[in-house]
Amino acid sequence: AQSVTQPDIHITVSEGASLELRCNYSYGATPYLFWYVQSPGQGLQLLLKYFSGDTLVQGIKGFEAEFKRSQSSFNLRKPSVHWSDAAEYFCAVGAREYGNKLVFGAGTILRVKS
Amino acid sequence: SAVISQKPSRDICQRGTSLTIQCQVDSQVTMMFWYRQQPGQSLTLIATANQGSEATYESGFVIDKFPISRPNLTFSTLTVSNMSPEDSSIYLCSVLPPSSYEQYFGPGTRLTVT
Repeated sequence: AQSVTQPDIHITVSEGASLELRCNYSYGATPYLFWYVQSPGQGLQLLLKYFSGDTLVQGIKGFEAEFKRSQSSFNLRKPSVHWSDAAEYFCAVGAREYGNKLVFGAGTILRVKS
Repeated sequence: SAVISQKPSRDICQRGTSLTIQCQVDSQVTMMFWYRQQPGQSLTLIATANQGSEATYESGFVIDKFPISRPNLTFSTLTVSNMSPEDSSIYLCSVLPPSSYEQYFGPGTRLTVT
């Protein structure tokens, strides 16, 4: 079965510090990988995506993620966190072979200390 | 890209009643999906809404409880039937534009069942 693991439920970082959110997946096909962000009371916003090619992808708001096939990981990074980055972050996986349905991780809540 | 609207944005309903949620997209799309996000939880796929045929439901979701209509390529509805407090969730629709691997999400419908 397909699954996505985000091992960190909550992460707290100081403003200006670097950030890495972890995502591991188990999937029976070549996956498409996504990171979404959800602020309180808001909808889902796509941060970045990986389909193929360069394994380091750049997204909006200064985020990047690296696809590591050997580790089945797609970790999200940001070199310097801003207070406005406080939100919940979801990793998601899909594949054409599975009807393009998305499987989401449990989410990681990011708190930013000033 | 695609712009998606959902109606209603939120509602408070009594136990035993039904609510129909509408999802409208600004362009024709083949694939539409309905997700549920229970309080404090991640997103779970309810079903894939197929135009011209019955929806395809995920394990744990049944047509009698969540009937879906898809009358054309820009519109779908999800009905939450015979509601109980456990149905209190955010319901989101998403679309997959043609030749794209990226799903676009609507703003969600926040449902509270009392």
